Amino acid sequence: EVQLVESGGGYAQPGGSLRLSCAASGFNFKTFEMNWVRRAPGKGLEWVSYISDAGGITHYTDSVKGRFTISRDNAENSLYLQMNSLRAEDTAVYHCARKGSQYDLLTHNYKSYMDVWGKGTTVTVSS
Amino acid sequence: EIVLTQSPGTLSLSPGETATLSCRASQTVSSSYIDWYQQKPGQAPRLLIYGASSRATGIPARFSGSGSGTDFTLSINRLEPEDFAVYYCQHYGFSPPYTFGQGTKLEI
Repeated sequence: EVQLVESGGGYAQPGGSLRLSCAASGFNFKTFEMNWVRRAPGKGLEWVSYISDAGGITHYTDSVKGRFTISRDNAENSLYLQMNSLRAEDTAVYHCARKGSQYDLLTHNYKSYMDVWGKGTTVTVSS
Repeated sequence: EIVLTQSPGTLSLSPGETATLSCRASQTVSSSYIDWYQQKPGQAPRLLIYGASSRATGIPARFSGSGSGTDFTLSINRLEPEDFAVYYCQHYGFSPPYTFGQGTKLEI
């Protein structure tokens, strides 16, 4: 069964740190690009970070640049999100999500999407 | 940065009716890059539609997507009780950020 399972969430004080993990199983993890997406209480989904299959390319949403670091260990089938200098507005459920893609013959673009999601881990930042 | 605006914010319908959800982009985008997700309380988001109109694996035929340019639509025919949830569109383009719309809550 294709599965993603997050862990590492919890409580942190403002300015503190947490490290989230995402364990992948049931597919060839090292061949897939990955993302972190979060949903803050009462708000919608927000894309947080992306990492390429080999880990050499990373991207972040502006609000976490310089504070969060995405990484992966393909030998361990694991994805990580190191979260430093946490703020109250980082409080959210964090999901890891696999990127899928399919070539579009009509537009000659690759359709990209997030086809496998974990159930999420909750991060609460509060004093 | 592409901004996606979904409407309406909340849609109140009954089982058996048809839901039409809108997603408008702040500039012209390729239809290849528009996806739709469903999220229920306490659950992970689920991919419904990718590339504006392709149904994901296992998604019932009552879900359909359409649109081009700046205007995209998710239609749900013959609503079932399990369809009441929050729906998001996303622009997963060639470069980040991979923005989501603010969501449409479909309620009974």
